[in-house]
Amino acid sequence: DVKVTQSSRYLVKRTGEKVFLECVQDMDHENMFWYRQDPGLGLRLIYFSYDVKMKEKGDIPEGYSVSREKKERFSLILESASTNQTSMYLCASSFVSAGTWGTEAFFGQGTRLTVV
Amino acid sequence: AQSVTQLDSQVPVFEEAPVELRCNYSSSVSVYLFWYVQYPNQGLQLLLKYLSGSTLVKSINGFEAEFNKSQTSFHLRKPSVHISDTAEYFCAVSSFLIQGAQKLVFGQGTRLTINP
Repeated sequence: DVKVTQSSRYLVKRTGEKVFLECVQDMDHENMFWYRQDPGLGLRLIYFSYDVKMKEKGDIPEGYSVSREKKERFSLILESASTNQTSMYLCASSFVSAGTWGTEAFFGQGTRLTVV
Repeated sequence: AQSVTQLDSQVPVFEEAPVELRCNYSSSVSVYLFWYVQYPNQGLQLLLKYLSGSTLVKSINGFEAEFNKSQTSFHLRKPSVHISDTAEYFCAVSSFLIQGAQKLVFGQGTRLTINP
């Protein structure tokens, strides 16, 4: 089974702190994604990556950055946490199979971040 | 830019009644389409997907969805729902970015509530 592991289930940080959310997948997937999930807004794409050191902005990248130094690990960084970044953060990965440009995404269990 | 619109934020139905959850997308390129389900206090699970071939796709638990390119829709249906189908359902669209890369965007979600 594909496993996508997020380093923390719950996190409480103070306003202004630099926050790192880590995600590791064990299936050699090319694509990795970071979303935030808020009630009524669904999942909103923050950043995604299709290869080591390659990244693309999603729909809400402001206030976030990412790092992908190794294929299996994709980190989300909140440079200076703010209360409006309190949310559930979901990491996902997907692979490229023959004849496609991608497949379904496999999700981690999420990190519930509270910024106080 | 691609986007997904789920037209109903909440859908209450009685047990054994039919249900349709609506999903429309916009994209200027070819797409893959997905439905995910999130049961209470659980992560996202793939329900069904359209990559190519038959436009009608089915899940193992009785749901089906039809890809309609002319109407840019991918509505989810089930002829008879059960209490256990109570969950939030997310529609997602994947579009080609560059070779080996996909951008995967989700809708706002539809909360399906089954009443006895």
